[in-house]
Amino acid sequence: RKEVEQDPGPFNVPEGATVAFNCTYSNSASQSFFWYRQDCRKEPKLLMSVYSSGNEDGRFTAQLNRASQYISLLIRDSKLSDSATYLCVVPSPGGYNKLIFGAGTRLAVHP
Amino acid sequence: EAGVVQSPRYKIIEKKQPVAFWCNPISGHNTLYWYRQNLGQGPELLIRYENEEAVDDSQLPKDRFSAERLKGVDSTLKIQPAELGDSAVYLCASSLMAGQGYGYTFGSGTRLTVV
Repeated sequence: RKEVEQDPGPFNVPEGATVAFNCTYSNSASQSFFWYRQDCRKEPKLLMSVYSSGNEDGRFTAQLNRASQYISLLIRDSKLSDSATYLCVVPSPGGYNKLIFGAGTRLAVHP
Repeated sequence: EAGVVQSPRYKIIEKKQPVAFWCNPISGHNTLYWYRQNLGQGPELLIRYENEEAVDDSQLPKDRFSAERLKGVDSTLKIQPAELGDSAVYLCASSLMAGQGYGYTFGSGTRLTVV
C-alpha cells in the first residue's frame, strides 16, 4: 500500500450536494492527519486537522477509521467556492516530523 | 501576521542555467520545509530544517540541488544546473515545530519553467 492514496476524481457535483472523499494510509502508527485545500495555481492551505475519531467544522466533517486505515472528508451543502483540490496528509512512517501529501482529489461544484 | 513569503513568484530559465529561490518563514516558526509539486501531484518534501540545521535532506538531489538556512530564519534553495525535469512549483512551508498535530503554512510558491 502506498503511504497515502486518494481517488483523483474529478468529482462533479451540483450546488447543494453532499460529497465525500476517502483517503487510505499505510502507517498504522499515525495519530494525526490533515486535509488541505488547494485552489488552482495556489498554495495548499490547511482545511482541517483530524485527531482521534474525527473533527467537524461547519459544513465540513473529517472522520478517521483506524481499523481500516482511512480518513474521509464530507462536504455538505456544496458551494461553488468549494471547487478545489483536496489533499490528504499523513505523517511519514519514519516519524512525525514529515508529512506526506496525497496527490489530491479534485472537486468541481457546478450551478 | 505576515505569512510565508517566497520569491520570485515565477521563473523561466534555459536548461543548464542556475536558479535560486528564497523563502522567509512565519516569525517564530523553527521548522522550515522545501517541497516540490509537479502538475497533478501532491507536494513532495525536498528538505526540512530545524532552526539552521538540515535534519532531513534524503530526497534532495544533491548533485544539483543545495539549500541553506542561515541564522535559522530565511532559506535559499538553489539548482545548478537546471534540467528540463526540474520544471515544477517549489513551495516553502513553515511550522511552529515539527511533530504530531502541527500543520504547515505554505508560501505562494515559485513556479519554475526550464526550457
